[in-house]
Amino acid sequence: EVQLVQSGGVVVQPGGSLRLSCAASGFTLDDYAMYWVRQAPGKGLEWVSLINWHGGSTYYADSVKGRFTISRDSSKNSLYLQMSSLRAEDTALYYCARGDYGGWGAHADYWGQGTLVTVSS
Amino acid sequence: DIVMTQTPLSSPVTLGQPASISCRSSQSLVHSDGNTYLSWLQQRPGQPPRLLVERISNRFSGVPDRFSGSGAGTDFTLKISRVEAEDVGVYYCMQATQFPRTFGQGTKLEIK
Repeated sequence: EVQLVQSGGVVVQPGGSLRLSCAASGFTLDDYAMYWVRQAPGKGLEWVSLINWHGGSTYYADSVKGRFTISRDSSKNSLYLQMSSLRAEDTALYYCARGDYGGWGAHADYWGQGTLVTVSS
Repeated sequence: DIVMTQTPLSSPVTLGQPASISCRSSQSLVHSDGNTYLSWLQQRPGQPPRLLVERISNRFSGVPDRFSGSGAGTDFTLKISRVEAEDVGVYYCMQATQFPRTFGQGTKLEIK
């Protein structure tokens, strides 16, 4: 069974840093593109970042470029999002999602339960 | 960036009746490889999104056949043939033809 289990919610001060994790089971993370998507409270979905299947290419929304870094650890079958210089507008529920096999994110089929990130002083 | 525009934003539907959601992209979603990477996702209250349809009309595993997708180029539609109570939620279209990936604003499906 495919599962994506995300780390727990956290409150961080503006300007602070945080790393989100997403542990995959039921499939090999390296074989798939992987997404980070966020949802601000009461709002719609916003794409944040993607790493392609072999990890050679990463992509970011302009709103997070230079501040967030997507990565994965094959030995732990886990996906990460390193977030720095956090702003109030980064407050959202962050989802990891699996992309397509051997691809670059043609769709997002399985989703984690989400991690609530609150940026507040 | 490709802008995805959904209509309607809210859709009250009677149980057992059909429902239809439209999604229009600001430019063609046909990729250079010939595929059109348009997906539909459902988000039930308090739940993460769930993939319903990918590449316009391919239903994902386990999705009931009352859900169907159609369209081409810049105009796409998700249809529910007979709405059931479990279909309540917000529906999003998403394009994966270009970066940045973009979503529609969401359409809230509710029961009359």
